[in-house]
Amino acid sequence: NAGVMQNPRHLVRRRGQEARLRCSPVKGHSHVYWYRQLPEEGLKFMVYLQKENIIDESGMPKERFSAEFPKEGPSILRIQQVVRGDSAAYFCASSRGQGNTEAFFGQGTRLTVV
Amino acid sequence: AQSVTQPDIHITVSEGASLELRCNYSYGATPYLFWYVQSPGQGLQLLLKYFSGDTLVQGIKGFEAEFKRSQSSFNLRKPSVHWSDAAEYFCAVGAITGGGNKLTFGTGTQLKVEL
Repeated sequence: NAGVMQNPRHLVRRRGQEARLRCSPVKGHSHVYWYRQLPEEGLKFMVYLQKENIIDESGMPKERFSAEFPKEGPSILRIQQVVRGDSAAYFCASSRGQGNTEAFFGQGTRLTVV
Repeated sequence: AQSVTQPDIHITVSEGASLELRCNYSYGATPYLFWYVQSPGQGLQLLLKYFSGDTLVQGIKGFEAEFKRSQSSFNLRKPSVHWSDAAEYFCAVGAITGGGNKLTFGTGTQLKVEL
């Protein structure tokens, strides 16, 4: 049984480039959550998606950030025109999403903007 | 809006000693509460969770936590700490949003174990 798979594990981007982070949820899970962990901080919720729908994006920065979870394939978190402040660990979690469920986390993608 | 406070940023204990990590939450309804552990460079592993029922929850690796509604607390305990328990521990409260489980995390407690 594969858990939540995130890739790449490490990503280095120059300022102004685009970063694409991928997340494959646990098989059978249709709910995906993205979190960001800045250095020395806890995880902060960014966005919650179900297949083909964004349910809650209250934690997403208004500009440059977008997320999708298509019918087929992984969920993608996209950061355009990255800046140094985007450097963080980005974690994806998935759940079945119905009632009392737990979220399983991936190992994260560590983004470094140089 | 919900929030989680972990008042201890760093804790050091000797191997074999008991451990208690504090967690206080703020939430308008019955909370879903979680403790996660994160080793350096790794993702989060769920230690235990409280959804309802018995307020004393048993988890993996010998950890337990007690939900106290009157104190808005969900403290994590372990009777005898092992050196491999050194890690960062996060308490989280979950909100049901559209059938899902959106988590608000505390800032974490870094546990150091002295041999």
